[in-house]
Amino acid sequence: GAVVSQHPSWVICKSGTSVKIECRSLDFQATTMFWYRQFPKQSLMLMATSNEGSKATYEQGVEKDKFLINHASLTLSTLTVTSAHPEDSSFYICSASPGLAGYEQYFGPGTRLTVT
Amino acid sequence: AQSVTQLDSHVSVSEGTPVLLRCNYSSSYSPSLFWYVQHPNKGLQLLLKYTSAATLVKGINGFEAEFKKSETSFHLTKPSAHMSDAAEYFCVVSPHTGGGNKLTFGTGTQLKVEL
Repeated sequence: GAVVSQHPSWVICKSGTSVKIECRSLDFQATTMFWYRQFPKQSLMLMATSNEGSKATYEQGVEKDKFLINHASLTLSTLTVTSAHPEDSSFYICSASPGLAGYEQYFGPGTRLTVT
Repeated sequence: AQSVTQLDSHVSVSEGTPVLLRCNYSSSYSPSLFWYVQHPNKGLQLLLKYTSAATLVKGINGFEAEFKKSETSFHLTKPSAHMSDAAEYFCVVSPHTGGGNKLTFGTGTQLKVEL
């Protein structure tokens, strides 16, 4: 149980284009979903927290107009990187939680984004 | 506020010898603590978690960790390393009460297992 999927697992896009990454909770309803970014050989950095039906809460320094997050249902959240640049190349990982405070997060397998 | 310090960025052990990955935490609340493992280009897998029950926590693949409040530590151990244990390990803290379930990650420890 508690499986989270991400699609695509890897994507290459050209500079200036937008790319959408999906995060799905397969066997539970995710009240809250989180998006993280991980640079090579570094730790995970929380980008934003989203609750179903509400606007996402972005961490300081994360551009909300560049990283659009939509949590339209209890099983799906999407991250859209708009007008991508090479510096946006990274490993993006989502996690999902069935509740609010005190509930465990279940992580997706990650999406490798390369912007050329 | 909460933070996690993983004291070693790299640990190298021989196969069959014990593993010790060190983690110290700081939290304004009574925290939940986790250890996750990440293999190259993969997502995170939960090894074990502490949520204010037993202080000695047993996880998957023979790993265990002990919560020591007096030392603010949550070190990860395994009696005998296996080649498949080679990976990146993250110690993670979450506020148990208040503050939502926002996770704070340590910087990670790369475990290398040699023959």
